[in-house]
Amino acid sequence: EDKVVQSPLSLVVHEGDTVTLNCSYEVTNFRSLLWYKQEKKAPTFLFMLTSSGIEKKSGRLSSILDKKELFSILNITATQTGDSAIYLCAVEGNNNNDMRFGAGTRLTVKP
Amino acid sequence: GAGVSQSPSNKVTEKGKDVELRCDPISGHTALYWYRQSLGQGLEFLIYFQGNSAPDKSGLPSDRFSAERTGGSVSTLTIQRTQQEDSAVYLCASSLGVVAGGGQETQYFGPGTRLLVL
Repeated sequence: EDKVVQSPLSLVVHEGDTVTLNCSYEVTNFRSLLWYKQEKKAPTFLFMLTSSGIEKKSGRLSSILDKKELFSILNITATQTGDSAIYLCAVEGNNNNDMRFGAGTRLTVKP
Repeated sequence: GAGVSQSPSNKVTEKGKDVELRCDPISGHTALYWYRQSLGQGLEFLIYFQGNSAPDKSGLPSDRFSAERTGGSVSTLTIQRTQQEDSAVYLCASSLGVVAGGGQETQYFGPGTRLLVL
């Protein structure tokens, strides 16, 4: 059965810290892995990863995928209180064309 | 325990037909959300239920879209007179609700229904 596991479930850091969020997956016929940031209603898209070893960056956020070991990490450097959110990882497969979401990592950044 | 389930997993329909998508949330979750993901797009919020009422319908793209939730559990999303641009993955999520202070409980997503309108 396809599954997506995120860790840690919860993380509390102070401003300026660097955090690494993990997402491991098992999916039939992998197509892509997506990271989202959820603060209010709809999760906000961050990254889509399809190829191993190619880092995607956006400001202080970066992400990389390892298709051999079946995981991805999301790094946030120099964290700010505005980074506090739930970070979701989702994986798309080619079989049923569905998306499997992890349970998310709740990040709290304290001043 | 069981997670969020959605049915059907795939639906192919002809333009102009009505479709009904179903979501079974996690037992005890009072909040339920519908989203859709079109090819190359981010998640698009459609509607949010707290119990059986929908305090936020702001994301429904047109009056062809409607949703209901009965018994504080199962929800159905209905699309009338489907159009090709309605083709997308429709995702449902549930959560325990909104935490004190306006925060957000973790939403647990279902596997989605992939809708293809020909």
